[in-house]
Amino acid sequence: DAKTTQPPSMDCAEGRAANLPCNHSTISGNEYVYWYRQIHSQGPQYIIHGLKNNETNEMASLIITEDRKSSTLILPHATLRDTAVYYCIVTADNYGQNFVFGPGTRLSVLP
Amino acid sequence: ETGVTQSPTHLIKTRGQQVTLRCSSQSGHNTVSWYQQALGQGPQFIFQYYREEENGRGNFPPRFSGLQFPNYSSELNVNALELDDSALYLCASSPRGNTEAFFGQGTRLTVV
Repeated sequence: DAKTTQPPSMDCAEGRAANLPCNHSTISGNEYVYWYRQIHSQGPQYIIHGLKNNETNEMASLIITEDRKSSTLILPHATLRDTAVYYCIVTADNYGQNFVFGPGTRLSVLP
Repeated sequence: ETGVTQSPTHLIKTRGQQVTLRCSSQSGHNTVSWYQQALGQGPQFIFQYYREEENGRGNFPPRFSGLQFPNYSSELNVNALELDDSALYLCASSPRGNTEAFFGQGTRLTVV
């Protein structure tokens, strides 16, 4: 079973920030938080990952709470192409494999 | 484009048959994982290969087997196909020590 809980769906207006929450209350000290997304009929695409510090890259920002029991993925300016299923994954595998995917959050970016 | 190539893209097989799916990993990536994704669900981990040896396995029966070759390309073999094996099969590769996995576009297998 997935170690994370995400809302099944969310809407966001184009150009606005999309904030996707994830609960991982049983996370262990050596487990990372990863985010992937999957656009219809394509393979999952890596977005970002972190251990305990907030992270930012060209795609998104990852905010992890101090107790590490939850996190938020932020897409700063959502576009229609960001419509996808977003997966939050917790794993101790430092090599980025052996992911346990849950059902994810279906984000719809609306014009 | 992730540089991970899977073939074929689509395949139809009959129940009881055997199937082989192929994955060409990105250059320099020596770790390959396979996932099964049923319609409407998240991907499920099947197994991982590192330097030609199985290095982790999910909750899949032995009729799911794999190989990794010296050039790090990989095969997934499924024997005695069942209707429930119908799914999108995904391959992911990464260099050892890197924490980002690159996924291919998948092979859509339909068992009739």
